[in-house]
Amino acid sequence: DTAVSQTPKYLVTQMGNDKSIKCEQNLGHDTMYWYKQDSKKFLKIMFSYNNKELIINETVPNRFSPKSPDKAHLNLHINSLELGDSAVYFCASSRWDFQANYGYTFGSGTRLTVV
Amino acid sequence: KQEVTQIPAALSVPEGENLVLNCSFTDSAIYNLQWFRQDPGKGLTSLLLIQSSQREQTSGRLNASLDKSSGRSTLYIAASQPGDSATYLCAVRRNRDDKIIFGKGTRLHILP
Repeated sequence: DTAVSQTPKYLVTQMGNDKSIKCEQNLGHDTMYWYKQDSKKFLKIMFSYNNKELIINETVPNRFSPKSPDKAHLNLHINSLELGDSAVYFCASSRWDFQANYGYTFGSGTRLTVV
Repeated sequence: KQEVTQIPAALSVPEGENLVLNCSFTDSAIYNLQWFRQDPGKGLTSLLLIQSSQREQTSGRLNASLDKSSGRSTLYIAASQPGDSATYLCAVRRNRDDKIIFGKGTRLHILP
């Protein structure tokens, strides 16, 4: 069983379209994240949700909207796609713990190409 | 602001050699540090997680150390194999915050 699964794996779309990427985890974790890996392979956090509540919202355009219907799912919707949105988007999960004793588990990524 | 640096950016070594990858971070007030491996076009696989109270963690041929006071971690790979070729990423979990900050990675190539 895949612990953190993202769909689709690949997404090619035209500028201006709206698209969604889905993420599901079966680890029983209560915190989920979206990270973006740019063309230089640098990973940066975009959002995190704990128990369906938005915890972290980095400087990300309003066109990006995360949605967490429940603890096991965190979807990413992107409006009016731009060329610069082309990247690999990674979903991750962990357990929320003020001692921060737990690591992250990442999905295999969604490669988004905007043409 | 926490910054994570990994040196070198790329490394090629002959098969069978032992090697060390370096990670440094600017703010020593961390909760934990995690080493990941990323294969080309693939996701991230967690290798080792070191808590702030720990000095090292071992898994098979991998050993990760942590020196919080100096802001450094090393990943030691013993008896390297071609299958170890990948990008290795170091990530630090910030104090009082949930997110982790990544370094830019070291691209490792093991020569057969």
